Amino acid sequence: DSGVTQTPKHLITATGQRVTLRCSPRSGDLSVYWYQQSLDQGLQFLIQYYNGEERAKGNILERFSAQQFPDLHSELNLSSLELGDSALYFCASTLGIQRGRDEQFFGPGTRLTVL
Amino acid sequence: AQKITQTQPGMFVQEKEAVTLDCTYDTSDPSYGLFWYKQPSSGEMIFLIYQGSYDQQNATEGRYSLNFQKARKSANLVISASQLGDSAMYFCAMSSGYSTLTFGKGTMLLVSP
Repeated sequence: DSGVTQTPKHLITATGQRVTLRCSPRSGDLSVYWYQQSLDQGLQFLIQYYNGEERAKGNILERFSAQQFPDLHSELNLSSLELGDSALYFCASTLGIQRGRDEQFFGPGTRLTVL
Repeated sequence: AQKITQTQPGMFVQEKEAVTLDCTYDTSDPSYGLFWYKQPSSGEMIFLIYQGSYDQQNATEGRYSLNFQKARKSANLVISASQLGDSAMYFCAMSSGYSTLTFGKGTMLLVSP
């Protein structure tokens, strides 16, 4: 158990809908990362938050947004869902203080299926 | 831009033998970290080992060691004495800047009895 929690574990929805994925980092970790794992794109970094502020942005679509709340939990919002958004979405957390050498602890992931 | 290349889509090894999973990387950053993660069929990502770009010695963690050759830009994972439970997908990843990870496509390792 990495100490990172993600809910829900599975999510099945229809095209055009909007969903929210939730992540609670390990106790004491200030930085949260979101990754998408799909068969065709592999594992891709989406976005990073550090202590409530956006720190880095990767290949995140405009239909996707995220935020980190004062209690440090984070939510990833996916809207106008398409079939291609079906993927495993991971949240990871680190202390966020050591540039480049923080080991990232991954949550169990949320498997999103868009029908 | 950073890039990680894992050229072995799949590897087979017999139990108790050693296996090397290849990873090459490309970056213009002088400071970076190299990671290996294991993803079993259950889907979770498990951290295995870390190597910093300025570390002089190769990293080791139990049965895992990282063969770091900076000039060749390679960071191969060596698993000694393979076990059935080692069957999984293995990802090489690199971090720099604010520690965001760039992953390779992965290598599926199958350990046979």
